Amino acid sequence: ILNVEQSPQSLHVQEGDSTNFTCSFPSSNFYALHWYRWETAKSPEALFVMTLNGDEKKKGRISATLNTKEGYSYLYIKGSQPEDSATYLCASIYSGAGSYQLTFGKGTKLSVIP
Amino acid sequence: DGGITQSPKYLFRKEGQNVTLSCEQNLNHDAMYWYRQDPGQGLRLIYYSQIVNDFQKGDIAEGYSVSREKKESFPLTVTSAQKNPTAFYLCASSIDWSGFLGGYTFGSGTRLTVV
Repeated sequence: ILNVEQSPQSLHVQEGDSTNFTCSFPSSNFYALHWYRWETAKSPEALFVMTLNGDEKKKGRISATLNTKEGYSYLYIKGSQPEDSATYLCASIYSGAGSYQLTFGKGTKLSVIP
Repeated sequence: DGGITQSPKYLFRKEGQNVTLSCEQNLNHDAMYWYRQDPGQGLRLIYYSQIVNDFQKGDIAEGYSVSREKKESFPLTVTSAQKNPTAFYLCASSIDWSGFLGGYTFGSGTRLTVV
């Protein structure tokens, strides 16, 4: 079973601060890396899907980078707002035995203090 | 609006009983998935289906069964053989197996409690 690690497990930041979290994954047989935002009482929502080494994606104040050679991805939030409070999940797809499965990390829980 | 509907939101089951969780999507997605979440753990894959009438076991398929007779529907049955069925169950779908186009779309989940 593929092991996807996220850090930190949780963090609290002040409104207006910028922050970032890390997702680590095995680089062998890597296919794609997904980031999701999961707000309390809602469904997880896709933020980014990245496949190429060096990929950078941006959506508003949130951006992500990907390093497939060393097996990590960073998610950045610029100028955090209370509505950014959520659990951020990363997940990696790997190829193995002809199947492709999305494996999730445990998430980073972000709380933005007004 | 297109989306995924899971029902019921809360479900209580007596030990020894089978129970079926519903998952319906109107997104015209080919692939569908069932994940389970337990406290302190990431989402774990139970079963997935890349196309109608075909499905594959995920990492924790023991004690579960699925069917994919229609593109829109992917019900999950939790059987009495599942040793620890109390958990939060999430259904998801994607245009194709990679989720490259837009990622996965998730339902709102079913919380199953065995009493």
